[in-house]
Amino acid sequence: KAGVTQTPRYLIKTRGQQVTLSCSPISGHRSVSWYQQTPGQGLQFLFEYFSETQRNKGNFPGRFSGRQFSNSRSEMNVSTLELGDSALYLCASSRRMTTISDTEAFFGQGTRLTVV
Amino acid sequence: DQQVKQNSPSLSVQEGRISILNCDYTNSMFDYFLWYKKYPAEGPTFLISISSIKDKNEDGRFTVFLNKSAKHLSLHIVPSQPGDSAVYFCAARPNFGNEKLTFGTGTRLTIIP
Repeated sequence: KAGVTQTPRYLIKTRGQQVTLSCSPISGHRSVSWYQQTPGQGLQFLFEYFSETQRNKGNFPGRFSGRQFSNSRSEMNVSTLELGDSALYLCASSRRMTTISDTEAFFGQGTRLTVV
Repeated sequence: DQQVKQNSPSLSVQEGRISILNCDYTNSMFDYFLWYKKYPAEGPTFLISISSIKDKNEDGRFTVFLNKSAKHLSLHIVPSQPGDSAVYFCAARPNFGNEKLTFGTGTRLTIIP
């Protein structure tokens, strides 16, 4: 089956602009999480959506927002971009976690955002 | 506050030897732990996991050990192969609800042929 698809793969933006990243989860997966990866910081959790509802949110400023559509596809938006927002943004999808064994998240390849 | 810590940013191991990657956590509510492997330009892929009811889980060349009292887990790779060269992330979550994974900062493993 198709994996998690993130578009675009690469993006260059200038400071002050806004950006929208897209994530299509694995078919049948209803949960989508977003992470920011920067050198030395590992994967920092941004937010998680399940059935169009935000269920968890990480410690990021309000410039970072997201949403999930009825087909489980998700977008994240970053407004007023700063140089420090340059990072790899990863999306992960999973089935509803009803059992302890069902906790693996499947990641997309990420969107590499460069802010200049 | 980094709740999951991987204190070694990098590790080099000779091919055929054992690779040991370490991870410490501070949140006592964590009781499910996972290791992910990440190649450049790819997303992380799930490797192996362990529940707090166990202290060891093995899958082929990969074994994860959990020491709950020390809040420490480790990933052993035996024997190490060149294809194991990647960044390894440990992650943890509580066992209730639909809680998010908390990741460590990663350890870059290089296997020397």
